[in-house]
Amino acid sequence: SQELEQSPQSLIVQEGKNLTINCTSSKTLYGLYWYKQKYGEGLIFLMMLQKGGEEKSHEKITAKLDEKKQQSSLHITASQPSHAGIYLCGADKLDLLSAGKSTFGDGTTLTVKP
Amino acid sequence: KAGVTQTPRYLIKTRGQQVTLSCSPISGHRSVSWYQQTPGQGLQFLFEYFSETQRNKGNFPGRFSGRQFSNSRSEMNVSTLELGDSALYLCASSLALMAALKGNTEAFFGQGTRLTVV
Repeated sequence: SQELEQSPQSLIVQEGKNLTINCTSSKTLYGLYWYKQKYGEGLIFLMMLQKGGEEKSHEKITAKLDEKKQQSSLHITASQPSHAGIYLCGADKLDLLSAGKSTFGDGTTLTVKP
Repeated sequence: KAGVTQTPRYLIKTRGQQVTLSCSPISGHRSVSWYQQTPGQGLQFLFEYFSETQRNKGNFPGRFSGRQFSNSRSEMNVSTLELGDSALYLCASSLALMAALKGNTEAFFGQGTRLTVV
């Protein structure tokens, strides 16, 4: 079963609109990463959240970690075509047994229409 | 400073052959992790090397192996290639061991090597 589930799988928004991507873990989250990937290329680190309730922002992207819900959300405000890509959440320690075995969600493909 | 460099960027191999991929981490980074990304399975962890030792391994067959050199550069080898090994192989480097139980470590990814097995 998928340990990190992302929703939605894909998203098409009009430029200027806000959007939210969710990442839900089936196990306790000790921390979470968000990455962005252009098709066929490497991952670009966006943010790392380590503590429950933590919220980080970078330009128009904000990510939050809700430990109780075992969930993280990534919110983009006033989306632009440059935000288009695949957003992946990842964790490298979902429980002590799997420590070090990095797990990623399946990704959310974002398309921003000009 | 230079980012993570993976070579080659693209590779076409025949079933049964073997392949070696290279990853040069960011200067000063001692941990290199390898991942396989396919449309069907998504991004999956292969293994992590730190100070020339394999520290963690994902659920891949023994055909997948790796090593790390004293300068932290890492190579990944896949022997007896199968069609299903066609994928984007990504490596990531970080300062500390990503598996450190005390916390998470920021990792930087290379552009990847696109391997096609025919």
